[in-house]
Amino acid sequence: NAGVMQNPRHLVRRRGQEARLRCSPMKGHSHVYWYRQLPEEGLKFMVYLQKENIIDESGMPKERFSAEFPKEGPSILRIQQVVRGDSAAYFCASSPPSGGAGNTIYFGEGSWLTVV
Amino acid sequence: AQTVTQSQPEMSVQEAETVTLSCTYDTSESDYYLFWYKQPPSRQMILVIRQEAYKQQNATENRFSVNFQKAAKSFSLKISDSQLGDAAMYFCAYRSAVDLNNNDMRFGAGTRLTVKP
Repeated sequence: NAGVMQNPRHLVRRRGQEARLRCSPMKGHSHVYWYRQLPEEGLKFMVYLQKENIIDESGMPKERFSAEFPKEGPSILRIQQVVRGDSAAYFCASSPPSGGAGNTIYFGEGSWLTVV
Repeated sequence: AQTVTQSQPEMSVQEAETVTLSCTYDTSESDYYLFWYKQPPSRQMILVIRQEAYKQQNATENRFSVNFQKAAKSFSLKISDSQLGDAAMYFCAYRSAVDLNNNDMRFGAGTRLTVKP
């Protein structure tokens, strides 16, 4: 049973370009979460999605950031017009429908975005 | 909103000794889950141990155990017989079991554990 798959693992973008990070949840998981980790800091919640629905985006910056989890395919975190401050590790996590597996969230290995 | 506090930015332990990492949280909910995650230099987030708030018995996983004090909102992690491979950042996390629209996991700032040979 494959774990949470994230790609790319490393992404370099110039200021002003767009970054797209992809996440495929574990099999059977319908909930996806995105977290950001700045250097030497903890994980900060960004957004919580279920298929075709954004449940909680209270941690998403108001501009330039968006996320989706379509009916088919992976979840996408999109960052438009990247700036140096966007450089961070972006972790995706997934969990089964509520009540399953003790509500444990399983993390992917992260995507490292570097803005130059 | 729930908050998770880890008051020890760094801790150090001698190999084979025992160390306890502290975590407190703030919530008005009665049903929730608590977790400890480990993040080694590879940066992958690895689940160490999980505790359901409705269970009074402290969770144990091999050398890892917790001291869950629900009234005090405290959830410390004890690592026994510390090994060099235990060196990592440790994050305490909270997840609601009640509010399905607030179902994300809230993390503390982390404690960096160093294991001395």
